Amino acid sequence: KAGVTQTPRYLIKTRGQQVTLSCSPISGHRSVSWYQQTPGQGLQFLFEYFSETQRNKGNFPGRFSGRQFSNSRSEMNVSTLELGDSALYLCASSLTGGDRVGYTFGSGTRLTVV
Amino acid sequence: GQNIDQPTEMTATEGAIVQINCTYQTSGFNGLFWYQQHAGEAPTFLSYNVLDGLEEKGRFSSFLSRSKGYSYLLLKELQMKDSASYLCAVRGGYQKVTFGTGTKLQVIP
Repeated sequence: KAGVTQTPRYLIKTRGQQVTLSCSPISGHRSVSWYQQTPGQGLQFLFEYFSETQRNKGNFPGRFSGRQFSNSRSEMNVSTLELGDSALYLCASSLTGGDRVGYTFGSGTRLTVV
Repeated sequence: GQNIDQPTEMTATEGAIVQINCTYQTSGFNGLFWYQQHAGEAPTFLSYNVLDGLEEKGRFSSFLSRSKGYSYLLLKELQMKDSASYLCAVRGGYQKVTFGTGTKLQVIP
């Protein structure tokens, strides 16, 4: 079966712009989580969606938002981009979020803010 | 909140055994995961522990002690391809999964 698909793979934006990233989970998976990965901070939890509802939220400013559609696809949006938002954004899907098999990660979107 | 500690880097020799430790403090505990991440790639799931004890999967084993807030990942018969970062992650209350910053393992000939 198809894996987790994230688009786009690479993105370059300027400070102040906004960006939308997309994630299509594995078919049948209803939980989608988003993480920001930087060399110094590791994987930082952004939020998790389950059945179109935000179930958990990390400690990121309100500029970071997300949503999930009825087909479980998810988007995250970052408004008023800052240089520090440059990172790899990873999406992870699982059946319910409470599985023994853990998450399946997408390949990520590498965002560069200039 | 949740706090997860792992060593930043480790080096081991091909064919040897290496143990990567992880200590955690969490509000609520619903399992601990280990992931492997090669440079430039996404993390991939290695193991899951929710009860105390050792889980073995081929060359990889993972141990959990909930009372001590401690886990380790044991890699046997190290191969060069095992050079990667190993991420410890804890699932706490409300199924929220928090990752440690990872341990970069270098396997040398």
